[in-house]
Amino acid sequence: GIQVEQSPPDLILQEGANSTLRCNFSDSVNNLQWFHQNPWGQLINLFYIPSGTKQNGRLSATTVATERYSLLYISSSQTTDSGVYFCAVLYDKVIFGPGTSLSVIP
Amino acid sequence: DSGVTQTPKHLITATGQRVTLRCSPRSGDLSVYWYQQSLDQGLQFLIQYYNGEERAKGNILERFSAQQFPDLHSELNLSSLELGDSALYFCASSAGLAETQYFGPGTRLLVL
Repeated sequence: GIQVEQSPPDLILQEGANSTLRCNFSDSVNNLQWFHQNPWGQLINLFYIPSGTKQNGRLSATTVATERYSLLYISSSQTTDSGVYFCAVLYDKVIFGPGTSLSVIP
Repeated sequence: DSGVTQTPKHLITATGQRVTLRCSPRSGDLSVYWYQQSLDQGLQFLIQYYNGEERAKGNILERFSAQQFPDLHSELNLSSLELGDSALYFCASSAGLAETQYFGPGTRLLVL
């Protein structure tokens, strides 16, 4: 079946720093989403991005479907960005990556 | 608030018991997904329903079953519960078959 990998597994940032999270997938997919799970466990949709680039405030995402990867950019990070970031792909079923755990320290 | 509701928020039960988790999708959404999140397995897709019909199946155990009703709410039934079934169970909904998913707050299940 399709494999989804995320890197890095863990990331610690100083407030105000920028970061790039990566999601690699092993086969063509129908769609791709990025989610943020906050420290209270809530899963929040960030982007639905099967291809191309989208921006929402300090966050942006790019998916290059032909090369089977997606990137999530976080600029000017804030402590509220802490949590786990997941990418999820839809193949014949939904497959989540293992996540990147982000800690933003003041 | 995603617009997806799940009940109950917390559930504590004993091994061998049966529980039912309920999910109401966002207004107008036809697809409902169920997920299990545990510390050792991560987020696992269980099953998807679309407009009342089973659409895709993931790592759902035979002891688990689900259905989507005519009013589009969904229930996940977990039976013969084991300690390893303790997890956070999420429901998500989307408008169509492969569109943006919105997650509910989850049901935290503890099996003692």
